[in-house]
Amino acid sequence: AQKITQTQPGMFVQEKEAVTLDCTYDTSDPSYGLFWYKQPSSGEMIFLIYQGSYDQQNATEGRYSLNFQKARKSANLVISASQLGDSAMYFCAMSDLYGGSQGNLIFGKGTKLSVKP
Amino acid sequence: DTGVSQDPRHKITKRGQNVTFRCDPISEHNRLYWYRQTLGQGPEFLTYFQNEAQLEKSRLLSDRFSAERPKGSFSTLEIQRTEQGDSAMYLCASRLAPGTAQETQYFGPGTRLLVL
Repeated sequence: AQKITQTQPGMFVQEKEAVTLDCTYDTSDPSYGLFWYKQPSSGEMIFLIYQGSYDQQNATEGRYSLNFQKARKSANLVISASQLGDSAMYFCAMSDLYGGSQGNLIFGKGTKLSVKP
Repeated sequence: DTGVSQDPRHKITKRGQNVTFRCDPISEHNRLYWYRQTLGQGPEFLTYFQNEAQLEKSRLLSDRFSAERPKGSFSTLEIQRTEQGDSAMYLCASRLAPGTAQETQYFGPGTRLLVL
């Protein structure tokens, strides 16, 4: 069974500094995807970044990068130059990828990030 | 707006009443998922559709829950005889089928249900 673990219930970061949110995963599937979503207090899940298990390079999307260490089964999110609007819950998730698979997302419990001015 | 939409955004009901939620996915997405999120937790999978076919239901989906996706477009999630434990955020997401180049699920704004 797939499992996502986020060990940081809450994190604080100073505005304009970088922050790393931890995520470890467990799966026996050889082909899987890892995702990070942001959930502001309004409730909507906003997609941030995706990493496929066979991707050689770490994914980057603007100020977001994913530090993918396959052997350690970790997929940490790095946010550079934090902004006040980054304050939100952040969820790590995974799904299997092969054609015909169920493809539903398995989520961690989330990390609440607070950006201080 | 071409994203996923959900209606209503908020619903307050009394225990024992039936409620129905609607989700309109991104138009070219053939996969549609329903998730439930309780306070302090990540979303949990409930069920999914490929086109109009409901292919999998989680054990979380009791007999009081039913979902449909007629004609493979919008989907509805109905809860009969609501209980206080049904209070949660119900999230809908859509995507292209797995195995395609685009693996990401895109979520709607959710429906917050409160059962009194």
